[in-house]
Amino acid sequence: GESVGLHLPTLSVQEGDNSIINCAYSNSASDYFIWYKQESGKGPQFIIDIRSNMDKRQGQRVTVLLNKTVKHLSLQIAATQPGDSAVYFCAENMDFNKFYFGSGTKLNVKP
Amino acid sequence: DTEVTQTPKHLVMGMTNKKSLKCEQHMGHRAMYWYKQKAKKPPELMFVYSYEKLSINESVPSRFSPECPNSSLLNLHLHALQPEDSALYLCASSQDQDSGYTFGSGTRLTVV
Repeated sequence: GESVGLHLPTLSVQEGDNSIINCAYSNSASDYFIWYKQESGKGPQFIIDIRSNMDKRQGQRVTVLLNKTVKHLSLQIAATQPGDSAVYFCAENMDFNKFYFGSGTKLNVKP
Repeated sequence: DTEVTQTPKHLVMGMTNKKSLKCEQHMGHRAMYWYKQKAKKPPELMFVYSYEKLSINESVPSRFSPECPNSSLLNLHLHALQPEDSALYLCASSQDQDSGYTFGSGTRLTVV
């Protein structure tokens, strides 16, 4: 399943499928980006980051893609599990110490 | 210790009350942050402390007053708040100015 982030705030996928969460960032000068996962009642949790000198970075079951030309980030989650259900935010570093968060996408994993 | 600890977890206060939110980390991080998060919205940056000095204030009303007593502690003093200030207040820390944050679980504040 795939979301358009700002325009489709909820993404529902079947357990075991791959998920793609998208984010459009605002500042072409931003040079560092992070994806966070926020479960209900908890603070955001770091998932994966990428710097502007890269276009792809892989972690365990997650991949972040960066397209600076169109100011777009995506988070790919392989073999989505029920524990992946949460709200996902992208955050861009516009300046030292200043991270700004996108509007978020809720991922709902159906068993 | 790889956590950011926030207390209290929940707080209900009247508009004439004075209260404080506390945040503590023992990871040796030198940057600490306060964010405000309304329901179903992203966290919004309020304050940044770098090496115990306030470096960023995102035009936050003076009824919110941050304090960094030492490199491990960050407080947010609250006075004369409004009901619209009800939100989840998140504290975070980072190793330096250009690295990811570790967030606490937040304080759920209700102003009545």
